[in-house]
Amino acid sequence: QVQLVQSGAEVKKPGASVKVSCKASGYTFTNSDINWVRQGSGQGLEWMGWMNANSGNTGFAEKFQGRVTMTWSTSIGTAYMELSSLTSEDTAVYYCARAGGEMGDFDLWGQGTLVTVSS
Amino acid sequence: DIQLTQSPSFLSASVGDEVTITCRASQGIGFYLAWYQQRPGKAPKVLISGASTLQTGVPSRFSGSGSGTEFTLTISSLQPEDFATYYCQQLTTHLTFGPGTKVDIK
Repeated sequence: QVQLVQSGAEVKKPGASVKVSCKASGYTFTNSDINWVRQGSGQGLEWMGWMNANSGNTGFAEKFQGRVTMTWSTSIGTAYMELSSLTSEDTAVYYCARAGGEMGDFDLWGQGTLVTVSS
Repeated sequence: DIQLTQSPSFLSASVGDEVTITCRASQGIGFYLAWYQQRPGKAPKVLISGASTLQTGVPSRFSGSGSGTEFTLTISSLQPEDFATYYCQQLTTHLTFGPGTKVDIK
């Protein structure tokens, strides 16, 4: 079954870091970019960045430069997104998404991971 | 970065209505635009890419048009399952999303 399965909900304190995983199955992990998108409660979709396990390249939205790291393990087909220096503004659902469409659209999404930042 | 605006931000409609959502880009993006539908508590789902190409399995009542800086998503006859939030996304660089349009039941 073609799917992306994300890790479970996290609760973090301000200033901490969080690492979310996204495991791909049913397709070749290195064939497509994996993107990360977040959504605050009642808010819109915010693109954070992308990674490609084949080329080794990454790219980030300016807002997250210096605070986000995207890594992966090709052997287990898993992408990781780590966000540091968390504040309450980072409380959101974080999604991974495959850019597998012909135009690079996001044709496969993970189920989302709720990250709550609270003291 | 390319900015996207959507109008309206909210619309109230009835089953069977035709609705149109507009997405405008701050600079030309050719046909590099996708539309997504998101239902509450669910991940988004791509409806249209390349501005007008309907994705497999998406009902034909959905259609997209436009190029450059102005794009539209039309739902020809609104069905109960279409009440959701719709986002456009530009697919050039730094893949930004529009702010969304919530379609609610009148």
